[in-house]
Amino acid sequence: AQTVTQSQPEMSVQEAETVTLSCTYDTSESDYYLFWYKQPPSRQMILVIRQEAYKQQNATENRFSVNFQKAAKSFSLKISDSQLGDAAMYFCAYRSRYGNKLVFGAGTILRVKS
Amino acid sequence: NAGVTQTPKFQVLKTGQSMTLQCAQDMNHNSMYWYRQDPGMGLRLIYYSASEGTTDKGEVPNGYNVSRLNKREFSLRLESAAPSQTSVYFCASRVGPVTEAFFGQGTRLTVV
Repeated sequence: AQTVTQSQPEMSVQEAETVTLSCTYDTSESDYYLFWYKQPPSRQMILVIRQEAYKQQNATENRFSVNFQKAAKSFSLKISDSQLGDAAMYFCAYRSRYGNKLVFGAGTILRVKS
Repeated sequence: NAGVTQTPKFQVLKTGQSMTLQCAQDMNHNSMYWYRQDPGMGLRLIYYSASEGTTDKGEVPNGYNVSRLNKREFSLRLESAAPSQTSVYFCASRVGPVTEAFFGQGTRLTVV
């Protein structure tokens, strides 16, 4: 069974600085997707970024980028120029390419200091 | 476009009571899901429906039943609520096997 591990329960960053959230996963599959979801206090789950395992290029969405290391089974999220609105719980998630189940990590609370 | 809509947003139940959480999506998605979120555990899949007319168990199905009423609606029923079912419940949907899931706003359920 696949597992996703987020080893940082909480992280803090100063506004305008850069922060990296860590995620590792365990799988025997070669074709899968990885996701980062943001959950602000409103509880809404918002997709931040998606990475397809067969793509070597790291995904980027504006200030959000990932460092995908397939051999190491590592998928970290970098947030540049952090803003107060980035404060939230961030979840790393895994899904087999044609699977039905998203496997989530436990989450990392990100606090942004002004 | 409302996306995925869950009702209610909050609910308090007494142990042993039953209730149904409702979920509807207006994106013509084939697959629908129910997750529960507990502190320190992320989200865990309860049940899913890959297409209209089918349902399958996820990781934590005990104590729950589901109904895929039509393509739009997927309900989750607690027949006899227990304090261990206190959680935040999320419904999600997606159109096909290679797309991402869209989530509803969640239902905070407390069983006392």
